[in-house]
Amino acid sequence: AQTVTQSQPEMSVQEAETVTLSCTYDTSENNYYLFWYKQPPSRQMILVIRQEAYKQQNATENRFSVNFQKAAKSFSLKISDSQLGDTAMYFCAFISRVFGNEKLTFGTGTRLTIIP
Amino acid sequence: DSGVTQTPKHLITATGQRVTLRCSPRSGDLSVYWYQQSLDQGLQFLIQYYNGEERAKGNILERFSAQQFPDLHSELNLSSLELGDSALYFCASSIRGSEQFFGPGTRLTVL
Repeated sequence: AQTVTQSQPEMSVQEAETVTLSCTYDTSENNYYLFWYKQPPSRQMILVIRQEAYKQQNATENRFSVNFQKAAKSFSLKISDSQLGDTAMYFCAFISRVFGNEKLTFGTGTRLTIIP
Repeated sequence: DSGVTQTPKHLITATGQRVTLRCSPRSGDLSVYWYQQSLDQGLQFLIQYYNGEERAKGNILERFSAQQFPDLHSELNLSSLELGDSALYFCASSIRGSEQFFGPGTRLTVL
């Protein structure tokens, strides 16, 4: 079974600064995806960024980038030039590419507050 | 807007009752997933359907059941409700099981 661990329950940072959220996971599989989802106060789950395990290059989406260390099973999210709208819960998630096992396993989340 | 719709947005009911949550996936998506988000259990996978057939099962109680219809919409049925079933229930859809797009959720309150 896969597990996802987010060790930072809460974080806060000043607007325009850079913040990094940590995530580690455990799996015996070699073919999988990793995601960061954002859940603002509206409770909507929004996909922020995706990383395919077989790709060595770290994924980037505008101000959001990841540091994917496959051997260490680490998948951190960096938010640059943070904005007030980034205030939300952030969930790290794992999904296997094995047929019949395509369910998301989530971490417990990090509550991020951007301070004006 | 993810393109996934869920109804109703809110549901308040009493213990012992039965409710049905409905989900319409994004156009073209064949897979539908149900997740439960509660304060004590976090986000948990319940069940997946693919093109009308059950494909994977997670921590879904026997009191809960789901189905996916020929038009690909899905329903999650919760029966003999208990206080602990109060949660936010999400539906998500995907084409191939990689990126999953979530609906706005149904907030269930059991009194």
